[in-house]
Amino acid sequence: KQEVTQIPAALSVPEGENLVLNCSFTDSAIYNLQWFRQDPGKGLTSLLLIQSSQREQTSGRLNASLDKSSGRSTLYIAASQPGDSATYLCAEGGSEKLVFGKGTKLTVNP
Amino acid sequence: DAGVTQSPTHLIKTRGQQVTLRCSPKSGHDTVSWYQQALGQGPQFIFQYYEEEERQRGNFPDRFSGHQFPNYSSELNVNALLLGDSALYLCASSLGQTSYQPQHFGDGTRLSIL
Repeated sequence: KQEVTQIPAALSVPEGENLVLNCSFTDSAIYNLQWFRQDPGKGLTSLLLIQSSQREQTSGRLNASLDKSSGRSTLYIAASQPGDSATYLCAEGGSEKLVFGKGTKLTVNP
Repeated sequence: DAGVTQSPTHLIKTRGQQVTLRCSPKSGHDTVSWYQQALGQGPQFIFQYYEEEERQRGNFPDRFSGHQFPNYSSELNVNALLLGDSALYLCASSLGQTSYQPQHFGDGTRLSIL
């Protein structure tokens, strides 16, 4: 059974701090790993997609890595801002569906 | 360029009723997937439609059914509603086989069962 785990469940940091969110998955045969952001009561915004053949992807202050052998992915956020406060979800991509973790709720304090 | 749009935004139903949720995919996308997200949980895959056929289904009962139209829009139908069906229902679209393409999500329909 495919399972995705995200640790920690919640994280509170002061503005300007660099931080890492963790994601672990059980299916080594994943096609891709996708990171999303979700604001309260809203849908999901795709942040980064890493194909199984890639090791990392970068977009602005965000960097995501993928290690299939250990079943882990990390999302690195540089110089965090209050506007980064949201829930961050990772999802492993199979042939048709995404399997999600429960997310990490991030609060960046001014 | 319109993204994924879902309607209605919110819906309140009572137990035993039936509901239909609607989704229009992002322009150029031909594949639609539906997810259920309970409060405090990650989204759970319900099913995916491509070329008007259900391509894969998650662990949901037959009370959950869907349809895809020739213009790629999609409906999710839920019969005999239970209290446990209260959730945010998310629609995602992509182009072709989803294993290599990012999925784009709508803002969801919040369904409350009384």
